[in-house]
Amino acid sequence: ILNVEQSPQSLHVQEGDSTNFTCSFPSSNFYALHWYRWETAKSPEALFVMTLNGDEKKKGRISATLNTKEGYSYLYIKGSQPEDSATYLCAFFRGNLIFGKGTKLSVKP
Amino acid sequence: GAGVSQTPSNKVTEKGKYVELRCDPISGHTALYWYRQSLGQGPEFLIYFQGTGAADDSGLPNDRFFAVRPEGSVSTLKIQRTERGDSAVYLCASSLGGGGNYGYTFGSGTRLTVV
Repeated sequence: ILNVEQSPQSLHVQEGDSTNFTCSFPSSNFYALHWYRWETAKSPEALFVMTLNGDEKKKGRISATLNTKEGYSYLYIKGSQPEDSATYLCAFFRGNLIFGKGTKLSVKP
Repeated sequence: GAGVSQTPSNKVTEKGKYVELRCDPISGHTALYWYRQSLGQGPEFLIYFQGTGAADDSGLPNDRFFAVRPEGSVSTLKIQRTERGDSAVYLCASSLGGGGNYGYTFGSGTRLTVV
């Protein structure tokens, strides 16, 4: 059974704080890792698709790194804003996307 | 269309009834996926279509679940003899291709409640 683990399960931060969370996945036969943001009452939205060890991707204040040899990826949010409140999902590709349970981020103004 | 459209957005049905959930993907996206999400879990893979054919249906939980995509665009997920355990949010997504190199575009989901 392939497991994708995300931590922490939830996170509460103040506006302006920077934060990061972790996704762990099997390190063998790596193909791709995806990050999605899922806001309440909306559709999950693709943030990053990462395929190479050492990849670093950035979109505005959000960035992600990838270590395929040890099987982890970090997602960073710099200067969190209330609109960043969402569940952040990572997904490991092995024929299809296998999702973690997500990290629920709440940013207080 | 501009995005992935799923209908209905909410469906309440009685145990034992049959339901159909519809997904209209982004035009030109050849790959289409169905996932379901239960409370406290991440989305769980059900089935993947490449064009008209089901390339991987290994996630369908049992033979009460079936999906079609007859013309390679709209897909319908069909659930027979619904059970309370089928209650979940059913998500559809499409992508340009079937490999992991393409991000998925998701619909807003259908919340199915079996009473």
